[in-house]
Amino acid sequence: ETGVTQTPRHLVMGMTNKKSLKCEQHLGHNAMYWYKQSAKKPLELMFVYSLEERVENNSVPSRFSPECPNSSHLFLHLHTLQPEDSALYLCASSQGLDKEQFFGPGTRLTVL
Amino acid sequence: GNSVTQMEGPVTLSEEAFLTINCTYTATGYPSLFWYVQYPGEGLQLLLKATKADDKGSNKGFEATYRKETTSFHLEKGSVQVSDSAVYFCALLYSSASKIIFGSGTRLSIRP
Repeated sequence: ETGVTQTPRHLVMGMTNKKSLKCEQHLGHNAMYWYKQSAKKPLELMFVYSLEERVENNSVPSRFSPECPNSSHLFLHLHTLQPEDSALYLCASSQGLDKEQFFGPGTRLTVL
Repeated sequence: GNSVTQMEGPVTLSEEAFLTINCTYTATGYPSLFWYVQYPGEGLQLLLKATKADDKGSNKGFEATYRKETTSFHLEKGSVQVSDSAVYFCALLYSSASKIIFGSGTRLSIRP
């Protein structure tokens, strides 16, 4: 595997389900990010991790819970989601917070 | 505050036409500037970048020049192909910041 990978690529869940999104980067980077991309809305930064420490949390509802167990892996735990949370969730990584980011292919999430 | 403004789409061109997608930014100092491309069903890919004034980034026939005097970073390509159909995002990043600021994206469609 190369670059940034995300699993699953597609996920359909009910509002009472609990699921997790996984991101893995194979680039040796030390910073990782979660973004939400909704139709007709700007890209929204959700969480930023640097050296496995969370450095930014942009007023994201608590039903989204990130986890960064090491510099190569990032998770987004989901529970009690709402239909408006349906979107493409993108993971990215960079070598330092001041360098360009490399994105994964995203997970298309649908909440019923 | 810092911001990025790009021309609204969609932009529709015929194959082999000349492409310009305008991008201007509002920022103090000297941010790095990027163009990202998102093909259907995929994540964002870094297309090109420029880190200081008068730098020209180029990749896959696309070019953009960092113009500090006009605070612009317009994307150009001399002859577009159907395969260039995608959404293009202009973005800026400060070395002191922890996040990239993205424009709203411009959808490009190329007719055969």
